[in-house]
Amino acid sequence: KAGVTQTPRYLIKTRGQQVTLSCSPISGHRSVSWYQQTPGQGLQFLFEYFSETQRNKGNFPGRFSGRQFSNSRSEMNVSTLELGDSALYLCASSLTLTGKNTEAFFGQGTRLTVV
Amino acid sequence: AQTVTQSQPEMSVQEAETVTLSCTYDTSESDYYLFWYKQPPSRQMILVIRQEAYKQQNATENRFSVNFQKAAKSFSLKISDSQLGDAAMYFCAQGAGANSKLTFGKGITLSVRP
Repeated sequence: KAGVTQTPRYLIKTRGQQVTLSCSPISGHRSVSWYQQTPGQGLQFLFEYFSETQRNKGNFPGRFSGRQFSNSRSEMNVSTLELGDSALYLCASSLTLTGKNTEAFFGQGTRLTVV
Repeated sequence: AQTVTQSQPEMSVQEAETVTLSCTYDTSESDYYLFWYKQPPSRQMILVIRQEAYKQQNATENRFSVNFQKAAKSFSLKISDSQLGDAAMYFCAQGAGANSKLTFGKGITLSVRP
Protein backbone atom coordinates (compact mmCIF):
# COMPACT_ATOMS: atom_id res chain seq x y z
CA LYS A 1 0.00 0.00 0.00
CA ALA A 2 1.53 3.32 -1.01
CA GLY A 3 2.11 5.85 1.75
CA VAL A 4 1.28 9.52 1.88
CA THR A 5 2.90 11.35 -1.02
CA GLN A 6 3.76 15.01 -0.89
CA THR A 7 5.00 17.04 -3.83
CA PRO A 8 7.25 18.79 -4.36
CA ARG A 9 9.80 17.79 -1.73
CA TYR A 10 11.67 21.10 -1.89
CA LEU A 11 10.63 24.54 -3.01
CA ILE A 12 12.26 27.94 -3.08
CA LYS A 13 10.03 30.98 -3.54
CA THR A 14 10.42 34.73 -3.37
CA ARG A 15 8.58 36.96 -0.91
CA GLY A 16 5.21 38.02 -2.27
CA GLN A 17 4.78 34.98 -4.48
CA GLN A 18 2.24 32.25 -3.89
CA VAL A 19 2.79 28.53 -3.65
CA THR A 20 0.70 25.37 -3.91
CA LEU A 21 1.65 22.14 -2.18
CA SER A 22 0.10 18.78 -2.94
CA CYS A 23 -0.70 15.75 -0.81
CA SER A 24 -1.98 12.35 -1.93
CA PRO A 25 -3.28 10.35 1.04
CA ILE A 26 -3.17 6.62 1.53
CA SER A 27 -5.77 4.88 -0.61
CA GLY A 28 -9.07 4.72 1.25
CA HIS A 29 -8.20 7.50 3.69
CA ARG A 30 -10.66 10.36 3.58
CA SER A 31 -9.10 12.75 6.06
CA VAL A 32 -6.12 14.93 5.22
CA SER A 33 -4.51 17.27 7.73
CA TRP A 34 -1.76 19.81 7.20
CA TYR A 35 0.90 20.90 9.71
CA GLN A 36 3.61 23.51 9.64
CA GLN A 37 6.89 22.63 11.35
CA THR A 38 9.44 25.30 12.27
CA PRO A 39 12.34 25.22 14.74
CA GLY A 40 10.78 28.01 16.80
CA GLN A 41 7.11 27.07 16.87
CA GLY A 42 7.35 23.31 16.45
CA LEU A 43 4.47 21.50 14.79
CA GLN A 44 1.35 23.56 14.35
CA PHE A 45 -1.96 22.42 12.92
CA LEU A 46 -3.09 24.28 9.83
CA PHE A 47 -6.32 22.61 8.78
CA GLU A 48 -8.06 19.31 8.19
CA TYR A 49 -10.21 18.19 5.29
CA PHE A 50 -12.64 15.32 5.24
CA SER A 51 -14.77 14.41 2.22
CA GLU A 52 -13.90 17.70 0.51
CA THR A 53 -14.99 19.79 3.51
CA GLN A 54 -12.78 21.71 5.89
CA ARG A 55 -13.57 20.28 9.33
CA ASN A 56 -11.05 22.02 11.48
CA LYS A 57 -8.79 25.03 11.18
CA GLY A 58 -5.78 26.22 13.16
CA ASN A 59 -4.74 29.77 14.00
CA PHE A 60 -3.16 30.83 10.74
CA PRO A 61 -3.90 33.91 8.65
CA GLY A 62 -6.20 33.77 5.66
CA ARG A 63 -3.18 33.60 3.35
CA PHE A 64 -3.13 29.91 4.14
CA SER A 65 -5.88 27.98 2.42
CA GLY A 66 -6.55 24.50 1.26
CA ARG A 67 -8.92 22.23 -0.53
CA GLN A 68 -9.63 18.57 -1.02
CA PHE A 69 -10.73 16.86 -4.18
CA SER A 70 -13.17 14.02 -4.67
CA ASN A 71 -10.30 11.50 -4.79
CA SER A 72 -9.18 12.80 -1.33
CA ARG A 73 -6.05 14.42 -2.69
CA SER A 74 -5.45 17.76 -1.05
CA GLU A 75 -3.67 20.97 -1.88
CA MET A 76 -2.68 23.82 0.33
CA ASN A 77 -1.97 27.28 -0.95
CA VAL A 78 -0.03 30.11 0.63
CA SER A 79 -0.42 33.51 -0.95
CA THR A 80 1.77 36.59 -0.54
CA LEU A 81 4.62 34.59 0.93
CA GLU A 82 6.57 35.99 3.86
CA LEU A 83 10.02 35.00 5.09
CA GLY A 84 8.38 33.51 8.17
CA ASP A 85 6.50 31.02 6.02
CA SER A 86 9.74 29.11 5.50
CA ALA A 87 9.05 25.74 7.07
CA LEU A 88 8.53 22.05 6.59
CA TYR A 89 4.91 21.43 5.65
CA LEU A 90 3.66 18.01 6.62
CA CYS A 91 0.55 16.29 5.41
CA ALA A 92 -1.11 13.47 7.31
CA SER A 93 -3.91 11.15 6.24
CA SER A 94 -6.17 9.04 8.38
CA LEU A 95 -9.16 6.82 8.01
CA THR A 96 -11.15 8.80 10.57
CA LEU A 97 -14.04 6.65 11.60
CA THR A 98 -16.86 8.66 13.09
CA GLY A 99 -16.31 9.10 16.83
CA LYS A 100 -12.78 7.77 16.67
CA ASN A 101 -9.41 9.43 16.49
CA THR A 102 -7.43 7.05 14.37
CA GLU A 103 -3.77 6.88 13.52
CA ALA A 104 -2.40 9.64 11.30
CA PHE A 105 0.14 8.63 8.66
CA PHE A 106 2.52 11.36 7.60
CA GLY A 107 4.19 12.18 4.34
CA GLN A 108 7.84 13.19 4.06
CA GLY A 109 6.93 16.84 3.87
CA THR A 110 7.62 19.74 1.57
CA ARG A 111 10.49 21.99 2.59
CA LEU A 112 9.54 25.55 1.62
CA THR A 113 12.16 28.26 1.67
CA VAL A 114 11.09 31.86 1.13
CA VAL A 115 13.86 34.26 0.09
CA ALA B 1 -7.80 23.92 24.52
CA GLN B 2 -5.21 21.20 24.51
CA THR B 3 -1.58 21.58 25.46
CA VAL B 4 1.29 19.11 25.35
CA THR B 5 4.54 19.80 27.18
CA GLN B 6 7.89 18.15 26.67
CA SER B 7 10.26 19.90 29.02
CA GLN B 8 13.49 18.10 28.08
CA PRO B 9 14.90 19.35 24.74
CA GLU B 10 17.62 16.71 24.53
CA MET B 11 18.52 13.35 26.00
CA SER B 12 21.28 10.85 25.47
CA VAL B 13 21.39 7.12 26.11
CA GLN B 14 24.01 4.41 25.81
CA GLU B 15 23.31 1.71 23.27
CA ALA B 16 21.46 -1.26 24.86
CA GLU B 17 20.39 0.85 27.85
CA THR B 18 16.91 2.09 28.73
CA VAL B 19 15.72 5.68 28.44
CA THR B 20 12.50 7.40 29.42
CA LEU B 21 11.13 10.45 27.63
CA SER B 22 8.69 12.63 29.56
CA CYS B 23 5.48 14.28 28.43
CA THR B 24 2.62 16.01 30.21
CA TYR B 25 -0.61 17.17 28.69
CA ASP B 26 -3.74 19.07 29.51
CA THR B 27 -7.20 18.72 28.04
CA SER B 28 -10.83 19.22 28.94
CA GLU B 29 -11.89 16.36 26.68
CA SER B 30 -12.97 13.08 28.22
CA ASP B 31 -12.36 11.08 25.04
CA TYR B 32 -8.79 11.56 23.88
CA TYR B 33 -5.80 9.72 22.54
CA LEU B 34 -2.09 10.07 23.11
CA PHE B 35 0.72 9.29 20.71
CA TRP B 36 4.47 9.21 20.48
CA TYR B 37 5.89 9.98 17.05
CA LYS B 38 9.48 9.57 15.92
CA GLN B 39 11.01 11.92 13.37
CA PRO B 40 14.39 10.74 12.04
CA PRO B 41 16.62 12.96 9.87
CA SER B 42 14.54 11.96 6.85
CA ARG B 43 11.78 14.11 8.44
CA GLN B 44 9.10 11.46 8.02
CA MET B 45 6.95 11.24 11.13
CA ILE B 46 6.53 7.65 12.24
CA LEU B 47 4.02 6.51 14.84
CA VAL B 48 5.81 4.74 17.68
CA ILE B 49 2.97 3.99 20.05
CA ARG B 50 -0.61 4.99 20.80
CA GLN B 51 -2.68 5.04 23.99
CA GLU B 52 -6.42 5.46 24.33
CA ALA B 53 -7.28 7.48 27.43
CA TYR B 54 -10.10 5.16 28.43
CA LYS B 55 -7.75 2.19 28.66
CA GLN B 56 -6.00 1.71 31.99
CA GLN B 57 -3.46 -0.74 30.61
CA ASN B 58 -0.25 0.86 29.35
CA ALA B 59 0.43 0.34 25.66
CA THR B 60 3.46 -1.68 24.56
CA GLU B 61 5.06 -2.12 21.16
CA ASN B 62 8.13 -4.36 21.24
CA ARG B 63 10.91 -2.31 22.90
CA PHE B 64 8.63 0.71 23.37
CA SER B 65 6.21 1.11 26.24
CA VAL B 66 4.40 3.96 27.91
CA ASN B 67 3.65 4.93 31.48
CA PHE B 68 0.23 6.55 31.29
CA GLN B 69 -0.79 8.34 34.49
CA LYS B 70 -4.23 9.77 33.71
CA ALA B 71 -4.77 11.64 36.97
CA ALA B 72 -1.36 13.29 36.70
CA LYS B 73 -1.84 13.85 32.95
CA SER B 74 1.51 12.28 32.29
CA PHE B 75 2.48 10.11 29.32
CA SER B 76 6.10 9.00 29.26
CA LEU B 77 7.80 6.77 26.69
CA LYS B 78 10.26 4.08 27.73
CA ILE B 79 12.67 2.73 25.15
CA SER B 80 14.37 -0.50 26.22
CA ASP B 81 17.54 -1.95 24.72
CA SER B 82 18.22 1.30 22.84
CA GLN B 83 19.57 0.94 19.33
CA LEU B 84 21.51 3.37 17.14
CA GLY B 85 18.46 3.58 14.87
CA ASP B 86 16.42 5.01 17.73
CA ALA B 87 18.30 8.29 17.44
CA ALA B 88 15.73 10.84 16.29
CA MET B 89 13.42 13.56 17.45
CA TYR B 90 10.47 12.27 19.45
CA PHE B 91 7.17 14.09 19.68
CA CYS B 92 4.38 13.53 22.14
CA ALA B 93 0.96 14.33 20.68
CA GLN B 94 -2.65 14.38 21.71
CA GLY B 95 -5.83 13.97 19.70
CA ALA B 96 -9.38 14.27 20.92
CA GLY B 97 -12.85 13.26 19.95
CA ALA B 98 -13.97 12.68 16.43
CA ASN B 99 -11.54 14.95 14.64
CA SER B 100 -8.03 14.17 13.51
CA LYS B 101 -6.33 17.28 14.81
CA LEU B 102 -3.17 16.50 16.74
CA THR B 103 -1.57 18.83 19.26
CA PHE B 104 2.17 18.25 19.49
CA GLY B 105 4.78 18.95 22.11
CA LYS B 106 8.01 20.75 21.16
CA GLY B 107 9.84 17.45 20.79
CA ILE B 108 12.96 15.94 22.31
CA THR B 109 16.14 15.04 20.47
CA LEU B 110 17.37 11.61 21.48
CA SER B 111 20.94 10.62 20.74
CA VAL B 112 22.25 7.07 21.18
CA ARG B 113 25.91 6.57 22.09
CA PRO B 114 27.60 3.45 20.66
